[in-house]
Amino acid sequence: DAGVIQSPRHEVTEMGQEVTLRCKPISGHNSLFWYRQTMMRGLELLIYFNNNVPIDDSGMPEDRFSAKMPNASFSTLKIQPSEPRDSAVYFCASSLRGINTGELFFGEGSRLTVL
Amino acid sequence: DAKTTQPTSMDCAEGRAANLPCNHSTISGNEYVYWYRQIHSQGPQYIIHGLKNNETNEMASLIITEDRKSSTLILPHATLRDTAVYYCIVFNTDKLIFGTGTRLQVFP
Repeated sequence: DAGVIQSPRHEVTEMGQEVTLRCKPISGHNSLFWYRQTMMRGLELLIYFNNNVPIDDSGMPEDRFSAKMPNASFSTLKIQPSEPRDSAVYFCASSLRGINTGELFFGEGSRLTVL
Repeated sequence: DAKTTQPTSMDCAEGRAANLPCNHSTISGNEYVYWYRQIHSQGPQYIIHGLKNNETNEMASLIITEDRKSSTLILPHATLRDTAVYYCIVFNTDKLIFGTGTRLQVFP
């Protein structure tokens, strides 16, 4: 099993540009989570999906952030326009919703730097 | 909002047991205790979880007090590769909220 796959691993962009982060969850998993990690705020849950439907997006910082899950094998997190304060590592995780819902499998993260 | 309290950092000698404490005094009856760790520059990794009984797997043991207000994660023979931030999380089948965790440094 390839695990959760995220791309790009590293992204450097300039303020005002659009950023799209991508995630492929583990096959068969029906829950997907986007987290952001910074030194100041630690690991923050941004949004999560069950069966491709957004369940809780209360962690999305503002309207510049949006997330989609068009099918069970793909999700995107978009920032438009990007700002320097968006610089962080963004993690995607997936799980099989059921008895052991709390066991999440994380990807290796996408490190975003906004200049 | 994290419902747990953990020490900021701990040290452990290689080969010795690492005992990481966690307080969760407001835990509800249907909430589980989950432990994750994050090795530098990697995504968090699930370790173990429990409800009220002690649990053991190939990575660690979890000891939960009878009143469930605290727990201890035990790494029986710590190695240098166990150096990481360890997160204790109270979970109720909704979403995992990470706190600040304990930074464990294993030294030779």
